[in-house]
Amino acid sequence: SQQGEEDPQALSIQEGENATMNCSYKTSINNLQWYRQNSGRGLVHLILIRSNEREKHSGRLRVTLDTSKKSSSLLITASRAADTASYFCATVAGNMLTFGGGTRLMVKP
Amino acid sequence: AAGVIQSPRHLIKEKRETATLKCYPIPRHDTVYWYQQGPGQDPQFLISFYEKMQSDKGSIPDRFSAQQFSDYHSELNMSSLELGDSALYFCASSLVVYMNTEAFFGQGTRLTVV
Repeated sequence: SQQGEEDPQALSIQEGENATMNCSYKTSINNLQWYRQNSGRGLVHLILIRSNEREKHSGRLRVTLDTSKKSSSLLITASRAADTASYFCATVAGNMLTFGGGTRLMVKP
Repeated sequence: AAGVIQSPRHLIKEKRETATLKCYPIPRHDTVYWYQQGPGQDPQFLISFYEKMQSDKGSIPDRFSAQQFSDYHSELNMSSLELGDSALYFCASSLVVYMNTEAFFGQGTRLTVV
């Protein structure tokens, strides 16, 4: 079973709108990371949130972490067409980085 | 800055053949991971190495093996290839990821088994 599960599986929004993606996981973690992947390309690291952090910002990205609910959310504000990609959360436990199912985001111009 | 380099970028093999994928991590990174990503799927963890020793093992078939060499590059060896092995194979490197460092991914090797 997946360590991280993402919700929704697909999201379609208009440019300028905000996009929120959620991730749930099952075991204790050291940190949680969000990655972006353009179709058929490599995974690009976006942001890392440690297990003792609750919220983190990076540019238009805002990540929250609720360890009591074992969940995280990624908010992309003021989305752009170039944000169209798949977004994955990945949990770190020990020295393992485990990915959950991604959210396919489409931002329409 | 140097990134994770994978070779080859594309590979076409026939069923039952063998394939070797190579990964060159970022200099001074001590951990290497291998992932398999099928079409429309999330990356599945195969195996990792820390300081040239196998660290963790995921859903890696017995037909696959991997190792990390003295120069820290890693190779994923795949034998008796099956059609279902067609996927993108990613390598990533990091500095001990549980110490809250990010993993950097290569561009992947697209393996097609025909």
